[in-house]
Amino acid sequence: QVQLVESGGGVVQPGRSLRLSCEASGFTFSTHAMHWVRQAPGKGLEWVAVITYDGNNKYYADSVKGRFTISRDNSKNTLYLQMNSLRAEDTAVYHCAKDAGDYYPHWYFDLWGRGTLVTVSS
Amino acid sequence: EKVMTQSPATLSVSPGERVTLSCRASQSVSGSLAWYQQKPGQAPRLLIYDASTRATGIPARFSGSGSGTEFTLTVSSLQSEDFAVYFCQQYSTWPVYTFGQGTKLEIK
Repeated sequence: QVQLVESGGGVVQPGRSLRLSCEASGFTFSTHAMHWVRQAPGKGLEWVAVITYDGNNKYYADSVKGRFTISRDNSKNTLYLQMNSLRAEDTAVYHCAKDAGDYYPHWYFDLWGRGTLVTVSS
Repeated sequence: EKVMTQSPATLSVSPGERVTLSCRASQSVSGSLAWYQQKPGQAPRLLIYDASTRATGIPARFSGSGSGTEFTLTVSSLQSEDFAVYFCQQYSTWPVYTFGQGTKLEIK
């Protein structure tokens, strides 16, 4: 079955850290760039980060640059998002998303996970 | 940053009707625009990319058009399963991609 399943969300205090995971199945994970996209409660979608298929290049939204780190383990078909120095405004459902391009990104997303909720609150 | 504005925020329509959703960019995004559908508690689904190309498995009643700053998504005859939130996304400014705030289609 072609799917992405996120995990690792929860309630965390401001300033603390959390690591999200996204397990992929049903497609060749190692040939696609992967993204994280978040959605604050009642709000629209915000792109967070992307990692190329080989993990060699990573890019971030300005809102998370220097605090979040995207990584991947192609041997485990898993994408990660390490979130440090969390803020209240990081509260959102975090979706992982597969880039539609094979090897070279197309920059739109043809498969999404349902997401995992991160709540930053004291 | 290119800001994407969708209108209206909510649209009340009846099954079987034809509906057109709008997405406007603050600057030209050429044809680098995608549309997604999201139902409550579900993952978003890609409907249209490159402004007018239907994604795999998307019914022909969905069509996209436009270029530059003005884009539309049309559903020719609304089915019950089409009531959802629709988002547009521009991908012309690598590696920063921006989404519209969404249009909710609700049953009249």
